[in-house]
Amino acid sequence: GESVGLHLPTLSVQEGDNSIINCAYSNSASDYFIWYKQESGKGPQFIIDIRSNMDKRQGQRVTVLLNKTVKHLSLQIAATQPGDSAVYFCADFTSGSARQLTFGSGTQLTVLP
Amino acid sequence: GAGVSQSPSNKVTEKGKDVELRCDPISGHTALYWYRQSLGQGLEFLIYFQGNSAPDKSGLPSDRFSAERTGGSVSTLTIQRTQQEDSAVYLCASSPRGPGQGSYEQYFGPGTRLTVT
Repeated sequence: GESVGLHLPTLSVQEGDNSIINCAYSNSASDYFIWYKQESGKGPQFIIDIRSNMDKRQGQRVTVLLNKTVKHLSLQIAATQPGDSAVYFCADFTSGSARQLTFGSGTQLTVLP
Repeated sequence: GAGVSQSPSNKVTEKGKDVELRCDPISGHTALYWYRQSLGQGLEFLIYFQGNSAPDKSGLPSDRFSAERTGGSVSTLTIQRTQQEDSAVYLCASSPRGPGQGSYEQYFGPGTRLTVT
């Protein structure tokens, strides 16, 4: 069945360094991907999205890379800050289906001082 | 503007009791979703409402779970005869339009933490 999973459950980085969070998906028909950030006690918050006809998209301090060949998605955070500490989820969606976003289990990012 | 709100923020109930969880979506959003998040886990889709269409209930884990959306706005998730395995955070999200209309971004509420003792 469909699954969206993450390579690492936890990631610790020094403040100021760049962070890379990875995600693998299994549904080759997925054509839309989102990264969410979830801080403790809060609901997920949209960070950035990318459609399958793109391989890179940049936002403010964040970049998402999509490799459809190996069904891999990554989120890069530049100059990581303490406020970036959170759980990061990737999610995929297949247009034309009635199914909703499929979320991975998340990666806990901890920013060290 | 106001975001998605959920109530209560925390609910402790005894096994076997019924509970109702409420979601107030962002005004004007036609799509509404319920998810369940167990500790340290991802989001498990439960149910999806889109306008006046019949809801997609394919994610509901058992017939003890049901949801309604009145007037295309507020939604209530009801869990009957709660079990300990129902303990989780229940998240609601809304979207301006549904995925069928090309809208995939979902705005989440803070969730309701349900503990069944």
